[in-house]
Amino acid sequence: KAGVTQTPRYLIKTRGQQVTLSCSPISGHRSVSWYQQTPGQGLQFLFEYFSETQRNKGNFPGRFSGRQFSNSRSEMNVSTLELGDSALYLCASSPGQSGAKTDTQYFGPGTRLTVL
Amino acid sequence: AQKVTQAQTEISVVEKEDVTLDCVYETRDTTYYLFWYKQPPSGELVFLIRRNSFDEQNEISGRYSWNFQKSTSSFNFTITASQVVDSAVYFCALSSIYNFNKFYFGSGTKLNVKP
Repeated sequence: KAGVTQTPRYLIKTRGQQVTLSCSPISGHRSVSWYQQTPGQGLQFLFEYFSETQRNKGNFPGRFSGRQFSNSRSEMNVSTLELGDSALYLCASSPGQSGAKTDTQYFGPGTRLTVL
Repeated sequence: AQKVTQAQTEISVVEKEDVTLDCVYETRDTTYYLFWYKQPPSGELVFLIRRNSFDEQNEISGRYSWNFQKSTSSFNFTITASQVVDSAVYFCALSSIYNFNKFYFGSGTKLNVKP
């Protein structure tokens, strides 16, 4: 099976712009989660989607949003970029279960976003 | 609240040495999962192991072994006879079983294995 794929792998944007990152989960996986990784804050949970519904979200401002499509692919959007948004954004997929249960998550290679 | 502490920021060993990476966690939940992931320079987090809070049996997989002790809230990872390819950042993570896949990660331990 192909792993989790993320596009693009690298992005350079300027402050104030917006950006959309894409994630394709492992075939058959229905849950997609997003994490932000920075040297200062480490790995932080952004949100999780299952069957096109956001089930959980972390403590990030409303500038960070996401969605999931019927084929389980997911996108996350960051509007009005700030310098502090420079990070590695990791997407993870898991088989997904109804209810609240947690699964093992399998991560993609990430998108490295640089905000100038 | 849930929290994972990896007190070792960076460890350097010489090839063939054994090394243990420490992980201490905090949670009020009675049912949870613990994980270890490896992050090579390429950036992708590679899944290594998942442990259920009800299963305290130690696990061995080749040169890797894990010691889970609920009494001390620890889930330590040992690499036996380390190799250069083991060089990476290792993360310990915690999630309540009813947490919609929200993982809490430790800050990671960077392992340098020198030839």
